[in-house]
Amino acid sequence: GAVVSQHPSWVICKSGTSVKIECRSLDFQATTMFWYRQFPKQSLMLMATSNEGSKATYEQGVEKDKFLINHASLTLSTLTVTSAHPEDSSFYICSARDGGVYTDTQYFGPGTRLTVL
Amino acid sequence: GENVEQHPSTLSVQEGDSAVIKCTYSDSASNYFPWYKQELGKRPQLIIDIRSNVGEKKDQRIAVTLNKTAKHFSLHITETQPEDSAVYFCAAPSSVGGKLIFGQGTELSVKP
Repeated sequence: GAVVSQHPSWVICKSGTSVKIECRSLDFQATTMFWYRQFPKQSLMLMATSNEGSKATYEQGVEKDKFLINHASLTLSTLTVTSAHPEDSSFYICSARDGGVYTDTQYFGPGTRLTVL
Repeated sequence: GENVEQHPSTLSVQEGDSAVIKCTYSDSASNYFPWYKQELGKRPQLIIDIRSNVGEKKDQRIAVTLNKTAKHFSLHITETQPEDSAVYFCAAPSSVGGKLIFGQGTELSVKP
């Protein structure tokens, strides 16, 4: 149980294009999903918290117009990197919170490696 | 602000030895402390967690201890094996929005 999928697993795009990443909870309903960014040999940096049916809450310093988040259902959240540039190249990981008895447990997706040329 | 400090940043042990990773947190209201293992290029995987109503939890070769008074918790791995080599992250919940605050990570290397 508590499986989270993410698609695509990797993507290469040209500078200026937009990229959409999907995060799905496969066997549970996730009222809250989180989006992280991770640079090599560094910790997980939270970008935003996504709640189903409401606007995402962005961390300080994260541009909400650049990183568009939509959480349209209890099993799907999407992150769109708009007008991507080389500095946006990174490993993006989502997590979903299991809405069970212990609602603070987070399960991670496999991540998406984004390379912007 | 809320903070989680993790030490050491790197740890090298011989196969069969024990490994200990320590974390301290700042929010005294925190009540849930997970540990994640992340292999290179893979997702962080929850390996064990502890809640504030217990002081220790064990799962085979892995154990976590919690000292709420001192606001620190530790991961203990016994009889280490090469497949334990990975980066380990501790975390504690933020009082805002249900998010987790992660430590900086510990790169564990188990040498055969």
